[in-house]
Amino acid sequence: GDSVTQMEGPVTLSEEACLTINCTYTATGYPSLFWYVQYPGEGLQLLLKATKADDKGSNKGFEATYRKETTSFHLEKGSVQVSDSAVYFCALSDPNFGNEKLTFGTGTRLTIIP
Amino acid sequence: EADIYQTPRYLVIGTGKKITLECSQTMGHDKMYWYQQDPGMELHLIHYSYGVNSTEKGDLSSESTVSRIRTEHFPLTLESARPSHTSQYLCASSEPSGRAGNEQFFGPGTRLTVL
Repeated sequence: GDSVTQMEGPVTLSEEACLTINCTYTATGYPSLFWYVQYPGEGLQLLLKATKADDKGSNKGFEATYRKETTSFHLEKGSVQVSDSAVYFCALSDPNFGNEKLTFGTGTRLTIIP
Repeated sequence: EADIYQTPRYLVIGTGKKITLECSQTMGHDKMYWYQQDPGMELHLIHYSYGVNSTEKGDLSSESTVSRIRTEHFPLTLESARPSHTSQYLCASSEPSGRAGNEQFFGPGTRLTVL
């Protein structure tokens, strides 16, 4: 079945540091890939997405590139801010199952210290 | 901006009580979902619906039940709450398959504590 493996957390960085959160996936078809973010006390929000190989999703300074050859979708940001502190989830939807459901990774808690 | 709402946001209740968690969306989405999020943050799909009068169980077995009488409304009910039901419950909705890669829009969640 489909699965998503995310970098273990928690991750603590200083403000303006570079961020990479690793995400790899297993899927039978050509899935769409997503990064969701959950701020304290809130639900999940879509951060960025990519629907086919070599697509790059970007939003709020975050980027992730759909790498079919390495089955990866790593999240990157060049300079993090305190306001980026949140939990980040990598997810996929598999068209072989009609894009019906999302498969989530376990989440990575990110804390940015001033 | 997503228009999906959940009430209550927080609920503390005693064992054995019946509870209903409300979820509504104003986007006209056919598909709706309920997730349970444990303290370790992992999300587990417990119910989903393709549309009115359609409900399916998700990947994680749950003692809760759901109904879908109206497109915009997808309530979750626990007939007899137990401490093991203590968790965060997240509702989501999405557009039809093939559009936007099945992006799901989430509500703010209900944090349930059963004493």
